[in-house]
Amino acid sequence: QKEVEQNSGPLSVPEGAIASLNCTYSDRVSQSFFWYRQYSGKSPELIMSIYSNGDKEDGRFTAQLNKASQYVSLLIRDSQPSDSATYLCAVILYNNNDMRFGAGTRLTVKP
Amino acid sequence: DGGITQSPKYLFRKEGQNVTLSCEQNLNHDAMYWYRQDPGQGLRLIYYSQIVNDFQKGDIAEGYSVSREKKESFPLTVTSAQKNPTAFYLCASSMGDRGAGELFFGEGSRLTVL
Repeated sequence: QKEVEQNSGPLSVPEGAIASLNCTYSDRVSQSFFWYRQYSGKSPELIMSIYSNGDKEDGRFTAQLNKASQYVSLLIRDSQPSDSATYLCAVILYNNNDMRFGAGTRLTVKP
Repeated sequence: DGGITQSPKYLFRKEGQNVTLSCEQNLNHDAMYWYRQDPGQGLRLIYYSQIVNDFQKGDIAEGYSVSREKKESFPLTVTSAQKNPTAFYLCASSMGDRGAGELFFGEGSRLTVL
């Protein structure tokens, strides 16, 4: 099992819809979770971090963490074409402080 | 403006040549990292450094070398021993120790072997 797994997509949603991106991880005691957005040919930029179970909201973005299920998700409300990018899930492993990345989910928001 | 500067953005190399990718940060961050990204794959750690004059291998260090003579600088050399060096290379930094939190990335360097 990969340490961090994401559905590679592509995920396509219409403009204005909610995009839901999912990520599972294997290290049961990981404590720190991040979502990065990466536009084609560019470097990743942090959009959300979450450390506690539950929801964390920032503007149109909501990160959800369920440590019991080893699951973290990102919801994008009122999706815009400018949200079209690859979204990388990252987890800091508890045992060695390594940040591990998923392969990313490619999101396309259609006007 | 504070940030991480990578150069060059694009680099072409002939087989058998060593090339060095530059990474400079003015964020006063202690930890610096080099990642490699291939199409359809996540970022894989090549090397990291938590303090000056010290660095550690990541998952895919073979064929690469680094130095950390100054806090601000962490250059990566791709040697001729790296069998498949064509990739997108990302330098990153973070405050405090490895695992302390978010990574800040440079704009990346795209290396193509001819």
